[in-house]
Amino acid sequence: KNQVEQSPQSLIILEGKNCTLQCNYTVSPFSNLRWYKQDTGRGPVSLTIMTFSENTKSNGRYTATLDADTKQSSLHITASQLSDSASYICVVSPSYRGSTLGRLYFGRGTQLTVWP
Amino acid sequence: EAQVTQNPRYLITVTGKKLTVTCSQNMNHEYMSWYRQDPGLGLRQIYYSMNVEVTDKGDVPEGYKVSRKEKRNFPLILESPSPNQTSLYFCASSYRDSSYEQYFGPGTRLTVT
Repeated sequence: KNQVEQSPQSLIILEGKNCTLQCNYTVSPFSNLRWYKQDTGRGPVSLTIMTFSENTKSNGRYTATLDADTKQSSLHITASQLSDSASYICVVSPSYRGSTLGRLYFGRGTQLTVWP
Repeated sequence: EAQVTQNPRYLITVTGKKLTVTCSQNMNHEYMSWYRQDPGLGLRQIYYSMNVEVTDKGDVPEGYKVSRKEKRNFPLILESPSPNQTSLYFCASSYRDSSYEQYFGPGTRLTVT
C-alpha cells in the first residue's frame, strides 16, 4: 500500500535553532517528492521538489535530502525564525510506465512551532 | 495576477442539500485537483483532472463528483452532503501533471449539519 509517514508529529524549537523533519514513504514506483509549508488555514506552498536522481535540494534556509534506496527524505531548517511556525507536509508522486500522472500521496505533516 | 480562486470560502449547509464549490485558475494549467483536509488526517486527494474531459479518482472520491468542461474551471459537486463531509477543501492546479509545482486556492470551509 502506498503510504507517506512523517515524524515527528509536532516539534517546538527556539528561534535561531536548527531542526530536521523526517519523511518515509512506500510509494512505488517513485517519481518525485515535494515538501510543502502550510500556514494555518491557508493553502500549502511548495518548498522543494526532488526526483529519483537528486540527493539534495535547497531553498534558502530549507534543505531537503532524498535517499531513494531507503525511501527516506528529510527537511532541514537552519536558523529558524518565528515565521517558520507552520505545518510541513511531505508529498510523493508515483510514476506510471515512466510518466508522472495525477495521483499524489500526502503525509500528515509535522507541526513546527518556533518560540522566541 | 496568477491565482486559483475558490467560491464560496465558507459554507454552512444541511444534510442532503446539493452544493457546488467552484474552482477557477487563470494560468492555463492542464492539471487540477481537489483535496480535503481534516485534523489529524492531513490532506487527502479527492479527484484530479489531467485536462479537459479527463478526470480520475484520488484517495477519497466517495460522495463527490467533478467535471472539467473548460480548462480553467474544475467544480466539486456534493450531490447529497453528509456531516462526515464537513472539512476544509482546497483546489490546486499545475502546468501539466502532479510533478509540476501546484498552486493552491485559499480553501473552502464547509460545515454540513
